[in-house]
Amino acid sequence: AQSVTQPDIHITVSEGASLELRCNYSYGATPYLFWYVQSPGQGLQLLLKYFSGDTLVQGIKGFEAEFKRSQSSFNLRKPSVHWSDAAEYFCAVGQAAGNKLTFGGGTRVLVKP
Amino acid sequence: KAGVTQTPRYLIKTRGQQVTLSCSPISGHRSVSWYQQTPGQGLQFLFEYFSETQRNKGNFPGRFSGRQFSNSRSEMNVSTLELGDSALYLCASSSRDSTDTQYFGPGTRLTVL
Repeated sequence: AQSVTQPDIHITVSEGASLELRCNYSYGATPYLFWYVQSPGQGLQLLLKYFSGDTLVQGIKGFEAEFKRSQSSFNLRKPSVHWSDAAEYFCAVGQAAGNKLTFGGGTRVLVKP
Repeated sequence: KAGVTQTPRYLIKTRGQQVTLSCSPISGHRSVSWYQQTPGQGLQFLFEYFSETQRNKGNFPGRFSGRQFSNSRSEMNVSTLELGDSALYLCASSSRDSTDTQYFGPGTRLTVL
């Protein structure tokens, strides 16, 4: 069965500093990987996805993620965070057939001024 | 294009009642998935419909059911509500029947008293 682990429940970062959110997955085949962001009371917004090809993926809002098969990881990064990046971030893995997503527990990001 | 819409946005019910939630996917999308989000269990997959057929089902009791109409709109129903059913219910749509980007609606916040 597939699973996703986000080791950090909370992260506090200063505005302008860099951010890295960790994601480890377990999946038997080639994974389909996603990062979503959720602001309070809102639905999920897709930041980026990896299906195949270049292992460094660019997304919206200045985010990028790197797929490392050897480490079963798909970490999300942003060079310089803005106060508006405060939100909860979810990593997810999709299966090859159908559209079922398995989510990690999420990482809540707090941005200090 | 209009995004995924969910109605109602908020619901308050009492134990033992039943509830129906509605989801209208992005125009042209034929796959609709439902997720339950709670603080304790996180984001969990309920089921997915494609062209009016349920293709995947998560590990939820039979009190949770759904359907999809010919126009791709979907409903989910929860019968005999329990306190633990209080959650944010998210609907997502995608255009293909294989792993694809899912676009999420704002969710329906269900409170069971």
